Amino acid sequence: EVQLVESGGGLVQPGGSLRLSCAGSGFTFSDHYVDWVRQAPGKGLEWVGRTRKKTNSYTTEYVASVKGRFTISRDDSKNSLYLQMNSLKTEDTAVYYCARAGGRYSAFDIWGQGTMVTVSS
Amino acid sequence: DIQMTQSPSTLSASVGDRVTITCRASQSISSWLAWYQQKAGKAPKLLIYEASSLESGVPSRFSGSVSGTEFTLTISSLQPDDSATYYCQQCNSYPLTFGGGTKVEIK
Repeated sequence: EVQLVESGGGLVQPGGSLRLSCAGSGFTFSDHYVDWVRQAPGKGLEWVGRTRKKTNSYTTEYVASVKGRFTISRDDSKNSLYLQMNSLKTEDTAVYYCARAGGRYSAFDIWGQGTMVTVSS
Repeated sequence: DIQMTQSPSTLSASVGDRVTITCRASQSISSWLAWYQQKAGKAPKLLIYEASSLESGVPSRFSGSVSGTEFTLTISSLQPDDSATYYCQQCNSYPLTFGGGTKVEIK
């Protein structure tokens, strides 16, 4: 079965850090883009960022609101994607999903179940 | 950034009705647009990609079309299981952006 499974969510204080993981299975992880998308409580979907494949030197793209605070990385040998979140703000509170895209212009055809991150004192 | 303006934000329709949701891009995105369905507490599910291609396993009552920068998701005959929030997303340029969502309720 093709699936993505996120982990690492939890409660963190403003200014703190958290690292999320996304494990892929049932497909060739290294052949796909796998992005992070978040959804604040009761709100819509927001794309967070992407790390490209090895053939594109694992370069990254981010939404402006997280640039300089969040870092996306991947370990294809472990079929895993990571999101290192630093200097967390209350507005980062959301369910964080990882989602698979087949290519540069592809839609997200597989989504994980999401992991909740709550930033609060 | 490319803005995706989705309308309406909510709609209520009866079983069997034809339903249309519109998404307008602030600039050209070619046909790089996807539609997703999200039910409460669940991850989004891909319905349509490249503006009009039906994802495998998605019922044929769902269809997508495009005219310039205006994209349309149509449900030809609304079913009770279609009660959900629908989002469009442009896949053309970074940052990737989503529409604000349309909540579809069954009367």
